[in-house]
Parts: sequence; structure tokens; C-alpha cells
Amino acid sequence: DQQVKQNSPSLSVQEGRISILNCDYTNSMFDYFLWYKKYPAEGPTFLISISSIKDKNEDGRFTVFLNKSAKHLSLHIVPSQPGDSAVYFCAASAGGGSNYKLTFGKGTLLTVNP
Amino acid sequence: NAGVMQNPRHLVRRRGQEARLRCSPVKGHSHVYWYRQLPEEGLKFMVYLQKENIIDESGMPKERFSAEFPKEGPSILRIQQVVRGDSAAYFCASSPRQALELDSNQPQHFGDGTRLSIL
Repeated sequence: DQQVKQNSPSLSVQEGRISILNCDYTNSMFDYFLWYKKYPAEGPTFLISISSIKDKNEDGRFTVFLNKSAKHLSLHIVPSQPGDSAVYFCAASAGGGSNYKLTFGKGTLLTVNP
Repeated sequence: NAGVMQNPRHLVRRRGQEARLRCSPVKGHSHVYWYRQLPEEGLKFMVYLQKENIIDESGMPKERFSAEFPKEGPSILRIQQVVRGDSAAYFCASSPRQALELDSNQPQHFGDGTRLSIL
């Protein structure tokens, strides 16, 4: 039972354009969402997060949008750079005493072409 | 500041042997989490430990797997009598405290993982 879904295994964009990575979730108890970036043979690196009390969070080139009614979030990267090429994981946690438990999607491989 | 350190980076074991994976958290972090990533999958939560205590092991297989985080030294994930299906990347993460900060200043920091291969 996949509670966090990243339906696009891969995405290819041109340098300078916008990258949009999507994530859907099914568990209505999730109230905190994170995006991690992962290079081959390395661990995930935290990028940006958003709590359910917000619908947008920005950090430099990265913006995360949350649509609670649709149980959907997206990560926008603009402008995209070749160094952004990596696997991007969406993760979520539920509130309460188990908010440490992150549930990950399968990831989307982003390739930014020069 | 050193990040989360995991060793070994690669571990090869034959079926039936034991695998020990070590994780040293970020200095000052007292909360450790282990995740497993099977091929073509996302990371899956296994266990959450604080110093000398297992807080939540709901994601860990009931048999052959155990974890500890002693007062001194690294956290250890131990897999006894390994089978082919244990082949995966095992990631450790740490945080200074349990609760995720809503302003995202204190997310879980991950190590680079141990790639376990079972022959």
C-alpha cells in the first residue's frame, strides 16, 4: 500500500527552464511533507519542507506547493541547473507521537540537460 | 561538523552469515533512525532509537533483525542469518530531538548508507 506516490519515474528538462516534480499521498493523517535530493551512492539530502498549515514554502530556487484537498504536493525548481540532476524523494509524516516516521515515495529521477 | 557516518559503505555476506551495520550520528544528536531501500523503491522506516532505548521498531522484521544505540559508541543494525532478500541499501539518519520542527530547521540528516549484498 503506497501511501506516498511519485508517479513519474523520470523527468528531463533543459537548463534554465522550470522543473516540476509531483507527489500524491493517500493518508489524511500526514501533516508534514519534505523533499529530499539524492545523488548516486550518497544519502538523501534535505531540500525543503512544508507543514499542512501552509500551502507554499519557498527557499531560493526551490518552492513547494501543497494542495491538501487534492492530497497533492509539487516541487518547483527554477531555473533548473545541471547540478540539480538527481533523484528527488517526496516524504511525509503524520502528526502526534510518531511524527519522526517518514514515509517516502519511490523517487523521480530529474535530468537537467545543458 | 561531521555528518552522519555509516560504515562499512559496502558489505558482502553469504547466505546464513551475520551483517553488522554501524552508524555514528551527527555530534550532539541523540535520536537515530534506520531506513531500508530495496531496489527501485523508496526508503522504508525500520526503527527509531534514542540512547540505550528502542522507541519504535514497528518497521523492522520480527526475526533476524535487531538494533541498538548504546550509551557509548555507534548505533548498530544487526541482521542474523542473512538471506538474498536482505540485499538493499540501509540508511541511518539522526536528529537532535524527536519532533520535526515545523519551520524545517531540524529535519533528519541522513548518512550515505551501507550497501548490503548477499551472495
